[in-house]
Amino acid sequence: QVHLQESGPGLVRPSQTLSLTCTVAGDSISDRSLYWSWVRQHPGLGLEWIGYIHYAGNTYFNPSLKSRLTMSVDTSKNQFSLRLTSVTAADTAVYFCARGGLSADGPWAFDIWGQGTMVTVSS
Amino acid sequence: QSALTQPASVSGSPGQSITISCTGTRSDIGGYNYVSWYQHHPGRAPKLIISGARDRPSGVSSRFSGSKSGNTASLTISGLQIEDESDYYCSSYASGSTPRLVFGGGTKLTVL
Repeated sequence: QVHLQESGPGLVRPSQTLSLTCTVAGDSISDRSLYWSWVRQHPGLGLEWIGYIHYAGNTYFNPSLKSRLTMSVDTSKNQFSLRLTSVTAADTAVYFCARGGLSADGPWAFDIWGQGTMVTVSS
Repeated sequence: QSALTQPASVSGSPGQSITISCTGTRSDIGGYNYVSWYQHHPGRAPKLIISGARDRPSGVSSRFSGSKSGNTASLTISGLQIEDESDYYCSSYASGSTPRLVFGGGTKLTVL
């Protein structure tokens, strides 16, 4: 059974960098048919797509976050990561990692999600 | 403000059917069938219930069905059950200078 688990600090200071990692169990992050996404949910609000990465390094980012965003894959650890720089209170959210690629929608539908991790940006 | 428009809430009684709409533009829902629906119980991982506008993943109850007409996608849940009470989100691929995924604002389903 495939399982995704987010990890990272729950508190980040304003203007600092938010770093999160998603560990994939039960699947290979190097499967070329798979895409690995991040999605966030601001408190009391809806979902927002952050971006995705393919193990070969291809990425697509939400244009509203692109200038502050980096994603990477560590195939040796079966993990993928997100780095968001210059954070503000507006980046406070629950961050989810998710798997795409196994439906006809390709990277645009997520069949497996992590439980999510709350990140608060505050001094 | 979300790119796709969903009603904030819908309600129904056990056994009834409800439909949740998701309205976009011809640059997203109207132009592509990359429309998905997710069930999200707060505090838990979201669950994919429809992809490709109308395809039901393996293991998802046949009580869930999806459709699309023009710029609007719809999720219908028939034979409502208490455990269907949840938040539901639509999403769609959106074209542009940088392709992206957009979500609806979510709909809270209450089973009375």
